[in-house]
Amino acid sequence: EAQVTQNPRYLITVTGKKLTVTCSQNMNHEYMSWYRQDPGLGLRQIYYSMNVEVTDKGDVPEGYKVSRKEKRNFPLILESPSPNQTSLYFCASSLRTGGIRNTEAFFGQGTRLTVV
Amino acid sequence: KQEVTQIPAALSVPEGENLVLNCSFTDSAIYNLQWFRQDPGKGLTSLLLIQSSQREQTSGRLNASLDKSSGRSTLYIAASQPGDSATYLCAGNTDKLIFGTGTRLQVFP
Repeated sequence: EAQVTQNPRYLITVTGKKLTVTCSQNMNHEYMSWYRQDPGLGLRQIYYSMNVEVTDKGDVPEGYKVSRKEKRNFPLILESPSPNQTSLYFCASSLRTGGIRNTEAFFGQGTRLTVV
Repeated sequence: KQEVTQIPAALSVPEGENLVLNCSFTDSAIYNLQWFRQDPGKGLTSLLLIQSSQREQTSGRLNASLDKSSGRSTLYIAASQPGDSATYLCAGNTDKLIFGTGTRLQVFP
């Protein structure tokens, strides 16, 4: 089954304790991205990756890091989480071969992060 | 800068009604527009994808239209059911997905 898998689904952590949220897709997609969803603000892009070893900032990158060492994986790293990073996080992927951008985006089930 | 707006923000209707959800966007240079469904605390499920060259797409009781020149898309839900209750999001793709804040739909029996 084609899917985007995030782990963990729920996470409660303390301020300053480094954490990683994993994301994996099995569709051989080039493009992957991370979003956060907050009430009243909707979904906003954090980081994206056009392909292996190619990453770039989205609209709200502060406090986050990403890496893309393999095509299927795109982990989100919070080096020193703060309470304002409490949110619902989504990973997404889509095909982007030869610059074609008109392809469907697939989303993971989300990770609800609480930083206390 | 692309901005996406969805109206209404919330909608409550009795079962069986036909519904229209609206989505407007400011940048007509979109590659495609995608409609999603989100259940409380869950992920996003893709419903329909309309390419920039298309006018509409249909899947079962759902029909989505796209008018790039006016910057509008509509999602039509025929014969609504309680199981359709969810938040519906539209997203315009201009090199990245820009989301509206959604329409929260409740269909009661």
